[in-house]
Amino acid sequence: QAVLTQPSSLSASPGASASLTCTLRSGINVGTYTIHWYQQKPGSPPQYLLRYKSDSDKQQGSGVPSRFSGSKDASANAGILLISGLQSEDEADYYCMIWYSSASVFGGGTRLTVL
Amino acid sequence: EVQLVESGGGLVQPGGSLRLSCAASGFTFSSYSMDWVRQAPGKGLEWVSYISSSSEIIHYVDSVKGRFTISRDNAKSSLYLQMNSLRDEDTAVYYCAREIGGGYDKWGQGTLVTVSS
Repeated sequence: QAVLTQPSSLSASPGASASLTCTLRSGINVGTYTIHWYQQKPGSPPQYLLRYKSDSDKQQGSGVPSRFSGSKDASANAGILLISGLQSEDEADYYCMIWYSSASVFGGGTRLTVL
Repeated sequence: EVQLVESGGGLVQPGGSLRLSCAASGFTFSSYSMDWVRQAPGKGLEWVSYISSSSEIIHYVDSVKGRFTISRDNAKSSLYLQMNSLRDEDTAVYYCAREIGGGYDKWGQGTLVTVSS
């Protein structure tokens, strides 16, 4: 079982909100980890969005709009990237990442379609 | 402006070697840990290697241990990845990335490594 699991795709309408999940493998407690989120558009390198550990320990990437936010769902053992007020330019692949066992680990990515 | 510029990619036969370089500018390179991250065609991101600011701590993903070597020259603001015994599955775009707070806030544009006979 992968360390981080993301749904492969998600669709949402312009102006709506999208909640992208990043589920940690059973036995790895989401509360212990800082989750980093990245956006990648075709043909471009990833862009840093934000990191989230708790409401008191989080940071937005430089220049990243506040409509991108992070949270956790402890009951689901998952990190969440919430994108509000969806715009067509938000259509991209989104990756979560943690530092686990002396390695960076990425989720498989979620392709967000805005239609 | 922070810039990371990778070079050294190309076509190489299985079993061959390549050395990737990443030239950094616009920040104090010696103050940051750096990583290599790769992305196979049409696939997701995969972390490859980490090096601390003064090279005292180094980590690799299991699949490259014993084949790849990360290094840096702080005087030249450069990061390197020596890749030996290359395999088909090493084919990917290789990115260098600046690490801060455990995440990567700056990425290069990447360099494509193709391993094929």
